Amino acid sequence: EPEVTQTPSHQVTQMGQEVILRCVPISNHLYFYWYRQILGQKVEFLVSFYNNEISEKSEIFDDQFSVERPDGSNFTLKIRSTKLEDSAMYFCASRRLAGLTGELFFGEGSRLTVL
Amino acid sequence: GNSVTQMEGPVTLSEEAFLTINCTYTATGYPSLFWYVQYPGEGLQLLLKATKADDKGSNKGFEATYRKETTSFHLEKGSVQVSDSAVYFCALSENRGSTLGRLYFGRGTQLTVWP
Repeated sequence: EPEVTQTPSHQVTQMGQEVILRCVPISNHLYFYWYRQILGQKVEFLVSFYNNEISEKSEIFDDQFSVERPDGSNFTLKIRSTKLEDSAMYFCASRRLAGLTGELFFGEGSRLTVL
Repeated sequence: GNSVTQMEGPVTLSEEAFLTINCTYTATGYPSLFWYVQYPGEGLQLLLKATKADDKGSNKGFEATYRKETTSFHLEKGSVQVSDSAVYFCALSENRGSTLGRLYFGRGTQLTVWP
C-alpha cells in the first residue's frame, strides 16, 4: 500500500541551526501539508501546499519556516534558525482529492529536538 | 474559532472491555468530524468520519456519532483488543468550500489494552 515517508525519523540540532525535514508524499497526490505536535499538546496545522505554492498557513508558520517541492517527489520543510520551542514531532501529509472526499494520509513523523 | 477537546489519557483497559473516548468541539460553522489513530511506529490513519449532524461513522468495530446538540463526537468500541493499543486523535475540518480542508486536532488519547 502506498505511504507517505518522512526523513529523518529523529534529528537533534543546536539552537540557531537550519533544519530540513523531508517528505515523500504518495505519488499521485496533489495536496501536501505539514503539521506538528509539541509534546503533550495538540497536533497543529502549519501549512498546506498545492500547485507549487502555499495555499494556507497558520500563525505558527512565520518567516523562519519555508516549504518546497524541489523535484516533483519530495516535499520539504525548512526551519532557518531553530529555536528551543521548535522541538516537536513534525508530520507530513498528502491527499489526492480536494475537500473532504479526499482522505489525508500521514507519514510517521520526524522528531526534532533543539538543544 | 475552531477547536477540539478530547479526553485526557492515558486510558488502560483489559481486553474485551468497553471503550469510550470523549471528544467535544467548537466550530464557527458546520464541520466534519474525524477520528484518527496512530499505532506505534506508524503515521496517523483515518479511523472514521462523519460529515453532518446525526451521522455515525464506523470502522473496525469503532463508532462515533456526530451530535450537534452536545457538540460531541465520542469514540466507542464494545470490546477492545490488545491490537487497539494506539493513540487516538479527534479532529474537525470546516465545511466551507475550501479545497484543502485544514484539520484541527485534539491532543490525542493514549489507549493501552492488556490481555
